[in-house]
Amino acid sequence: GAVVSQHPSWVICKSGTSVKIECRSLDFQATTMFWYRQFPKQSLMLMATSNEGSKATYEQGVEKDKFLINHASLTLSTLTVTSAHPEDSSFYICSARPPGKQETQYFGPGTRLLVL
Amino acid sequence: GENVEQHPSTLSVQEGDSAVIKCTYSDSASNYFPWYKQELGKGPQLIIDIRSNVGEKKDQRIAVTLNKTAKHFSLHITETQPEDSAVYFCAASYDSWGKLQFGAGTQVVVTP
Repeated sequence: GAVVSQHPSWVICKSGTSVKIECRSLDFQATTMFWYRQFPKQSLMLMATSNEGSKATYEQGVEKDKFLINHASLTLSTLTVTSAHPEDSSFYICSARPPGKQETQYFGPGTRLLVL
Repeated sequence: GENVEQHPSTLSVQEGDSAVIKCTYSDSASNYFPWYKQELGKGPQLIIDIRSNVGEKKDQRIAVTLNKTAKHFSLHITETQPEDSAVYFCAASYDSWGKLQFGAGTQVVVTP
């Protein structure tokens, strides 16, 4: 149980284009999902908290207009990197919290983004 | 906000020996402390967690201890195996959303 998937697993795009990453909870409903970014050999940095049916809340320093988050259903949250630039190249990981487990987060496999 | 420090940054152990990773946190209101294992190119995998009303928790070869007074918690891996080689992250929850603040990570290498 508590399986989280992400799609795509890796993506290469040209500078200036937009990229959408999907995060799905496969065997549970998640009212809250989280999006993280991880640079090589570094820790996970929380970008935003995604809540089903409401606006996402972003961490300080994260541009909400650049990283668009949509949590349209209880099993799907999407992160869209708009007008991507090479510095946006990173490992993006989502997590989801099962109902009844207030703090436990299960992570997806991550999406490797390379912006050329 | 919460600040989590993790040590050591790298840990090399012989197969069969024990490995210990230590973390400290700053926010005394934190009450949930998970440990994650991350293999290269993959997402973090929850391996064990502990809540503030418990001092110790064990799951087979893995154990976690928590000292609320000192605000530190530790991960213990006994009888290490090569497949235990990975990066391990500690974390502490904070705020009403249960956000996690992660430590910097420990690269564990188990040599046969």
